[in-house]
Amino acid sequence: AQTVTQSQPEMSVQEAETVTLSCTYDTSESDYYLFWYKQPPSRQMILVIRQEAYKQQNATENRFSVNFQKAAKSFSLKISDSQLGDAAMYFCAYRTAFSGNTPLVFGKGTRLSVIA
Amino acid sequence: NAGVTQTPKFQVLKTGQSMTLQCAQDMNHEYMSWYRQDPGMGLRLIHYSVGAGITDQGEVPNGYNVSRSTTEDFPLRLLSAAPSQTSVYFCASSYSRRTYEQYFGPGTRLTVT
Repeated sequence: AQTVTQSQPEMSVQEAETVTLSCTYDTSESDYYLFWYKQPPSRQMILVIRQEAYKQQNATENRFSVNFQKAAKSFSLKISDSQLGDAAMYFCAYRTAFSGNTPLVFGKGTRLSVIA
Repeated sequence: NAGVTQTPKFQVLKTGQSMTLQCAQDMNHEYMSWYRQDPGMGLRLIHYSVGAGITDQGEVPNGYNVSRSTTEDFPLRLLSAAPSQTSVYFCASSYSRRTYEQYFGPGTRLTVT
């Protein structure tokens, strides 16, 4: 079974600075998807960024980018120019690409605080 | 589109009571699932469905029942609530293809006393 590990329960960053959240995963599959979800205090789960394992290029969405290291099974999230609105729980998640009918496997989350 | 909707948003139950958490989506998604979120545990899969009439268990299915009679609805039933079921419950849905994004409902905070 696949597992996802987020080793940093809490992180903090100064406003306008850059922070990197870590995620590692364990799988024997070669084709899969990786995600970062943001959960603000409103509780809503918001997709931040996704990465297809067969793509070597790292995904980027505005201030959010990932460092995908397939051989190392690592998938970190970099937030540039941090803003107060970035304060939230961040979850790393894995989904097999073998079939569309598969659930997400989540890490335990990293709580990010942004200091003004 | 309303997306994924969940009702109620909050609920307090006494031990032994039963209730149904409702989940509906209007995106014609084949795949639907229920997760529970507990502090320090992330989101854990309870049950999921790959289409009407088809359901399967996830990581933590005990104490919960599901059914999927229509594509749109995927209710989660607690037959005899226990304090260990105090949690936040999320419903999610997605297309049944080699796609990726799951869409989440707003969650239901359940407290069992």
